[in-house]
This record gives sequence, C-alpha cells and structure tokens, in this order.
Amino acid sequence: GAGVSQSPSNKVTEKGKDVELRCDPISGHTALYWYRQSLGQGLEFLIYFQGNSAPDKSGLPSDRFSAERTGGSVSTLTIQRTQQEDSAVYLCASSLLAGANTGELFFGEGSRLTVL
Amino acid sequence: LAKTTQPISMDSYEGQEVNITCSHNNIATNDYITWYQQFPSQGPRFIIQGYKTKVTNEVASLFIPADRKSSTLSLPRVSLSDTAVYYCLVGVSGGYNKLIFGAGTRLAVHP
Repeated sequence: GAGVSQSPSNKVTEKGKDVELRCDPISGHTALYWYRQSLGQGLEFLIYFQGNSAPDKSGLPSDRFSAERTGGSVSTLTIQRTQQEDSAVYLCASSLLAGANTGELFFGEGSRLTVL
Repeated sequence: LAKTTQPISMDSYEGQEVNITCSHNNIATNDYITWYQQFPSQGPRFIIQGYKTKVTNEVASLFIPADRKSSTLSLPRVSLSDTAVYYCLVGVSGGYNKLIFGAGTRLAVHP
C-alpha cells in the first residue's frame, strides 16, 4: 500500500496475555518508530529502528515490551503479560533516510489495545 | 535531545488567524523544526517544516527567528475542521536522532 499499515486496528485482551502488534512501513523507508498514546495524552516514544543499526530501545517502559524489525521492513511490537496500564493506541511511523531529507514522519492509523 | 514547550490549549473562532508558539532553547545546529497535526483516532500528519526564517505552504506558515530557539506556527483563517492537537517537533529523523514529541497544543475552533 501507499501508506503505513498497522494491524490489528483494535485488540482486546485479558490481563496477563501476550499481544503482538504489526507495522508495515512505506516501502523504502529505512527509519521506523513506535509510539504509544494513552487517552488524551501526547505521544510517548518507545523504540526506533534505523536500517541495520541496533535499535534505540530507550523508550520501552519495561522488559515486557520488545520489538523486532525483520529484513529492514515489517516490525512487530510484542507486549508480554499485558497489564491494564498498557491500554493505549500504539502508533507506528516511518521515514525515508536521504541526504537532503529532513525526516517527515508518516504515521499509520494505530492499533488500539485494551487490556481487561 | 531538544525539548519543546508549547501551550497546552488554545481557543479560537472561525475565520481568525491562530499562532502557536513552541520553545526549543537547546535546538542543535542540524535540527529542523516540524509541526504535526493530529485529529482524534488518527495518527499525526505533517503540516510544515523549516530550518530558519519563514516557510509557507498551502496550509500554514512557520516563522523561525534568527536564534532558532522558538518557532511559531500560523494558521490563517481557521475553520472548525482545524480543531486538533498540534505538535512541535525538533530534530532530524532517519538516522540522526530519535524524535520526541512534546505534549502538543490542543486547539479548539468555535463557531
């Protein structure tokens, strides 16, 4: 597709279960970001992938959160043993790395996670 | 990483010009200033970007003083559909640094 695609759009799970959220960035974009947005709040940075470099995981709130990016394209954010405070919209964004490009982020529509 | 400070909320009326100022005192030499708009239940979308002086596109203008420690997003003649949250972002993505969003400014446009 032409834009950033995220799935599922909505996920309801029970406390303690694991969830996986998927992001398919725009083809050719080497930078990929995950953000979390709780209801009525701003965007909280989680993790950043750039090409084949080691990801910047400094925003992950706990060791229950992890993310992978396979083949420099699709990314999966995994939350283990979900807690109610994990309920939020998880947003993925991608960006094209180029010498003259100053980094416009293209966001997906987000995955809304509800932990009961 | 450059931190940004914006007003939490603003109110305006249809047809007025709205100016939202963002402070970024520790902006780095290679940082650009980018503004995003977010509607409820949607991801943010790019509005405008600049490095210095003034940038104008079909949607907005961005004013950046010489010291680059602040910037002002100007929305001409707002309409109800401009009601959204506006984020100021400082940095350069794609390999230079991660991009941290501030709390944003919640703009409410009234009839």
